[in-house]
Amino acid sequence: GAGVSQSPRYKVAKRGQDVALRCDPISGHVSLFWYQQALGQGPEFLTYFQNEAQLDKSGLPSDRFFAERPEGSVSTLKIQRTQQEDSAVYLCASSRQGASTDTQYFGPGTRLTVL
Amino acid sequence: DAKTTQPPSMDCAEGRAANLPCNHSTISGNEYVYWYRQIHSQGPQYIIHGLKNNETNEMASLIITEDRKSSTLILPHATLRDTAVYYCIVRRLNNAGNMLTFGGGTRLMVKP
Repeated sequence: GAGVSQSPRYKVAKRGQDVALRCDPISGHVSLFWYQQALGQGPEFLTYFQNEAQLDKSGLPSDRFFAERPEGSVSTLKIQRTQQEDSAVYLCASSRQGASTDTQYFGPGTRLTVL
Repeated sequence: DAKTTQPPSMDCAEGRAANLPCNHSTISGNEYVYWYRQIHSQGPQYIIHGLKNNETNEMASLIITEDRKSSTLILPHATLRDTAVYYCIVRRLNNAGNMLTFGGGTRLMVKP
């Protein structure tokens, strides 16, 4: 069956540009997460949706980062006025329910490079 | 969530068992131990989880000490495809904090 997909897989942006990263979760999965992974580090939580509701955005590093999931399926992470420190792999994960112990299934990530 | 401590890297010979340790000395009674791994250029992949009993599935075994302050992930017959970063994560059982908190993990290199 189809897993979590993300697009684009690679994105190069000039400093100051806006970018939009897309996540297609596993069909029917209620919960969706975004993580940021800097080179050589473990992933770090950014934000969490349950259906279309953004229940936790405590990990978003600045107000330049914005995420949405308007119909409770596909999600978009938008970064405005990108900076070099935004260069990282952005991972999306989904889980079936909203329970805290549900297995999270990850996509392959989008590698963002800001020049 | 409780902090975990793992060795930064380990080597293992192909075909031998890989034993990956994790310390979580501040774990609480309502926290599970989870293991994920991340193969190069891929997203993390769930392996196994447990509360206090040992667990086994098709990928690995998880041994949790009686005091729950440490655990070991065992890959019984490591292959080259098991080369990855392995993350030990402690997760609380409540509806808040659904996120996974990753540490630095152990970089396992399986050698022929």
